Amino acid sequence: DVKVTQSSRYLVKRTGEKVFLECVQDMDHENMFWYRQDPGLGLRLIYFSYDVKMKEKGDIPEGYSVSREKKERFSLILESASTNQTSMYLCASSPSRRGGRAIATQYFGPGTRLTVL
Amino acid sequence: AQSVTQLGSHVSVSEGALVLLRCNYSSSVPPYLFWYVQYPNQGLQLLLKYTTGATLVKGINGFEAEFKKSETSFHLTKPSAHMSDAAEYFCAVSFSGNTGKLIFGQGTTLQVKP
Repeated sequence: DVKVTQSSRYLVKRTGEKVFLECVQDMDHENMFWYRQDPGLGLRLIYFSYDVKMKEKGDIPEGYSVSREKKERFSLILESASTNQTSMYLCASSPSRRGGRAIATQYFGPGTRLTVL
Repeated sequence: AQSVTQLGSHVSVSEGALVLLRCNYSSSVPPYLFWYVQYPNQGLQLLLKYTTGATLVKGINGFEAEFKKSETSFHLTKPSAHMSDAAEYFCAVSFSGNTGKLIFGQGTTLQVKP
């Protein structure tokens, strides 16, 4: 089974702190994604990466950055946490469609509930 | 712009009743379609997906969904609700190529009453 793990289930930080959220997948997937989940808004894509050291902005990248130095690890960074970044953060991974593979399913981690005070 | 709309943020059914969760998308090209379920304090789990071929798709836990191109819909159904079906359900679509980016609906919380 695909396993996507996230470094923390619950995290409490103070305004202005630098926050790192880590995500690791064990299935050699090329694509990795960071979402935030807020009630009534569904999941919104923050950033994604389709290869090591490659990244693309999603729909709501402001206030966030990412790092992908190794294929299995994708980090989300809040440079200076703010209260409006209090949310559930979900990481996902999927294989690429190279080689004629059908559309790839995304596999999700358990989420990190971040509270910024 | 491409988007996904789930009608009804909360749906309540009695145990044993039909479950119907609605999903409509807007797109000029046929998308790939997904339903995910999220149980409390967990990540998302794939229920089923439509890519090509048969428009009626069967998933896990007795759920199924039918892709209707003319109605741009992908509604999720289950003939008989069980208490364990209580969760949040997300419809998602993908239009892109290699990366498989998903656009999610707002989510529907399903409550099952005894």
